[in-house]
Amino acid sequence: AQSVTQLGSHVSVSEGALVLLRCNYSSSVPPYLFWYVQYPNQGLQLLLKYTSAATLVKGINGFEAEFKKSETSFHLTKPSAHMSDAAEYFCAVTHPGATNKLIFGTGTLLAVQP
Amino acid sequence: DTGVSQNPRHKITKRGQNVTFRCDPISEHNRLYWYRQTLGQGPEFLTYFQNEAQLEKSRLLSDRFSAERPKGSFSTLEIQRTEQGDSAMYLCASSLGGQAQETQYFGPGTRLLVL
Repeated sequence: AQSVTQLGSHVSVSEGALVLLRCNYSSSVPPYLFWYVQYPNQGLQLLLKYTSAATLVKGINGFEAEFKKSETSFHLTKPSAHMSDAAEYFCAVTHPGATNKLIFGTGTLLAVQP
Repeated sequence: DTGVSQNPRHKITKRGQNVTFRCDPISEHNRLYWYRQTLGQGPEFLTYFQNEAQLEKSRLLSDRFSAERPKGSFSTLEIQRTEQGDSAMYLCASSLGGQAQETQYFGPGTRLLVL
């Protein structure tokens, strides 16, 4: 069975500071990993995804994530937080040959302080 | 692309009533998914369609839930005899192709409150 764990349900950073949102996965087969962002009262928007190509994945809005098989991690980072980054972030996993259903973590709510 | 649309955006109903939600996927997307999201949780898979065929249903989808995609375009999710535990955000997503790495595009969701 696959699962993802997001450590820290709430993360607060200052504007301009590094953003680090943690995601660890569990999968018996090589995974595909995704980060989605959800703004209030909106659906989920894809930030980036790992599909077994480059382990460092760059996404939209300056976000990137690195797939580390040895650590079973796919942490999301951004060098400098902006006020507009305040939202909820979800890590999700699926794998080749699956029905494509995404297994989501419980989410991390990012607050950005001025 | 106009994106995935869902209607209604909000629904308040009394326990025991039936409700129906609609999802219009991105045109030409052959896969359509339904997820449910409760407060403080990530979305949970309910069911998905490839064209008009419903290929998988989660154990979360009790007998009171039914989903259809009659012509392989829009989909409806019906909940019969609603219960307070059905209160949640119901999200629809669509994707093109059958590969697991295909991006799922999500709609804005329908927020259901059962009183």
